[in-house]
Amino acid sequence: GAVVSQHPSWVICKSGTSVKIECRSLDFQATTMFWYRQFPKQSLMLMATSNEGSKATYEQGVEKDKFLINHASLTLSTLTVTSAHPEDSSFYICSARERTGLQETQYFGPGTRLLVL
Amino acid sequence: QKEVEQDPGPLSVPEGAIVSLNCTYSNSAFQYFMWYRQYSRKGPELLMYTYSSGNKEDGRFTAQVDKSSKYISLFIRDSQPSDSATYLCAMKGDTGRRALTFGSGTRLQVQP
Repeated sequence: GAVVSQHPSWVICKSGTSVKIECRSLDFQATTMFWYRQFPKQSLMLMATSNEGSKATYEQGVEKDKFLINHASLTLSTLTVTSAHPEDSSFYICSARERTGLQETQYFGPGTRLLVL
Repeated sequence: QKEVEQDPGPLSVPEGAIVSLNCTYSNSAFQYFMWYRQYSRKGPELLMYTYSSGNKEDGRFTAQVDKSSKYISLFIRDSQPSDSATYLCAMKGDTGRRALTFGSGTRLQVQP
């Protein structure tokens, strides 16, 4: 299957700092990527849809000024958590949409664990 | 009522058992159906993909979609301890929302 990478895999930062997470589709181009967060023993919560060359679409309740998304190329989307606080500590996972003919599916990255002290 | 319902488990079975995981959904527009496996502290891994109704088999895994009943299943034959993980069903329609709609996930434990 297609491969999606994320970097970093984990990060610890002080409260008030900003953290950037990268999501890359390694062997396919993705005009659409998605960002999720996941709390322990809970399912994925969609935060936003990242569109190559245009603004991201945020889900209700997600602050777009807090979670900045940039999708500058067909293989890279970044999520920046600005002025991070302890409540932002979570597991952040991206996925990239691959379309091949009629088939359309999403491949996930390995996730980034963020701990804000 | 959630769009996709999935029993959270945990489901505990002995090694070698046949496992049946299920999801029901309410949106008749869903056409793409997927099963993901997620190990603890890892990203979800795509296991099975089905478009519209029917069955699909891949090794020990079989996915079934019954659109008339709005019911999908994943069967795991000869289950192994390494199958212990959370299994997420996901689906989407042909048009409209591009994001997948996920079930809450079923935690499976295969006992050696």
